[in-house]
Amino acid sequence: NAGVTQTPKFQVLKTGQSMTLQCAQDMNHEYMSWYRQDPGMGLRLIHYSVGAGITDQGEVPNGYNVSRSTTEDFPLRLLSAAPSQTSVYFCASGTESSGANVLTFGAGSRLTVL
Amino acid sequence: GESVGLHLPTLSVQEGDNSIINCAYSNSASDYFIWYKQESGKGPQFIIDIRSNMDKRQGQRVTVLLNKTVKHLSLQIAATQPGDSAVYFCAENRGGSNYKLTFGKGTLLTVNP
Repeated sequence: NAGVTQTPKFQVLKTGQSMTLQCAQDMNHEYMSWYRQDPGMGLRLIHYSVGAGITDQGEVPNGYNVSRSTTEDFPLRLLSAAPSQTSVYFCASGTESSGANVLTFGAGSRLTVL
Repeated sequence: GESVGLHLPTLSVQEGDNSIINCAYSNSASDYFIWYKQESGKGPQFIIDIRSNMDKRQGQRVTVLLNKTVKHLSLQIAATQPGDSAVYFCAENRGGSNYKLTFGKGTLLTVNP
């Protein structure tokens, strides 16, 4: 079981460039989400999905798009990167069938926008 | 706005001592709380959770206490080991989706040998 896999682990972008952070889980979890983590701060929810075809905004959605075409994948798109989007991004998945509302996190993707 | 916060940003303990990490929350409607551990360069890892209808929950070497009267949450780690060195986050669910968590800023725990 790979769990939650994020790619790439590191990325450097120039302002205005676009890119997609990939997230895949092999646990058949219905719930997936993206968080960003900035120095000295906790994780902040960007977008989340409660199932294929369903997405919703979190606390800090501006500048990011998501889609959920399959249960396994939940990519995060930056359409026009800005320096304020320099951060570490974490994808997480979860399911209620586990008996607890536990999120499993990926290892993170560190993004730098110049 | 409402937020989950921490009393101390850093905590340093001796190996073998007990550690207590505190967390305050402000949303009385929150019904579920979780502690996560994040080691350097890794994603957060679930430690223990507690629902608002409980005051205490124990796991292996860890205990979470919930005081709803003062909106306070604590994580106790018994016989702290060097492998416990990490940043610890408390998180709350404020309703809606069971997985929409709001995280605190974190406490860095350093265990000295």
